[in-house]
Amino acid sequence: KAGVTQTPRYLIKTRGQQVTLSCSPISGHRSVSWYQQTPGQGLQFLFEYFSETQRNKGNFPGRFSGRQFSNSRSEMNVSTLELGDSALYLCASSLAGRVSGNTIYFGEGSWLTVV
Amino acid sequence: AQSVAQPEDQVKVAEGNPLTVKCTYSVSGNPYLFWYVQYPNRGLQFLLKYITGDNLVKGSYGFEAEFNKSQTSFHLKKPSALVSDSALYFCAVRDTSSNDYKLSFGAGTTVTVRA
Repeated sequence: KAGVTQTPRYLIKTRGQQVTLSCSPISGHRSVSWYQQTPGQGLQFLFEYFSETQRNKGNFPGRFSGRQFSNSRSEMNVSTLELGDSALYLCASSLAGRVSGNTIYFGEGSWLTVV
Repeated sequence: AQSVAQPEDQVKVAEGNPLTVKCTYSVSGNPYLFWYVQYPNRGLQFLLKYITGDNLVKGSYGFEAEFNKSQTSFHLKKPSALVSDSALYFCAVRDTSSNDYKLSFGAGTTVTVRA
């Protein structure tokens, strides 16, 4: 069974540009969540989607957005990039019921460097 | 609100010795608790979780963790550490009483196992 797949793995962008990251969850998983990992702030929750609906959003500015498609694949977008957006962006998927102890599985991440 | 504390930034042990990585949590309701491991330039790899039932949970690669409700702890243990266990370890919690579909992570503990 394939794991969570994220593309691209590495990318470099210039300040002010925008970026779109893609995530394909494990087959059958309907919940997709995104996390940002930085050395200073650690792992921070961005948002979570289930059946194309955003159920939760973390404390990030509106420049960070996401969506989920009918096949559960998800994208996140960051507009007007800032140097501080340089991070590892991790996508995770789970079966996810309402309040769920289902295991959340992570992808390898997308390394974003903003110059 | 839910939160996790990993009181040790680093843990160093000799190969063959027992390894313990500490984690304490705070939730309003009951916790779902998870341990993940991250190798350099990789995503998070699931090790084990506590949902309910037996307080001693066994996971991948010989790791286990003990849930202690009175001490609000979920320490990760391995009886005999290997050099290949050297990595960054994260404890995470989800509050069952919350409508947040997110994990809250600790800051991480870097484990170094010396040969």
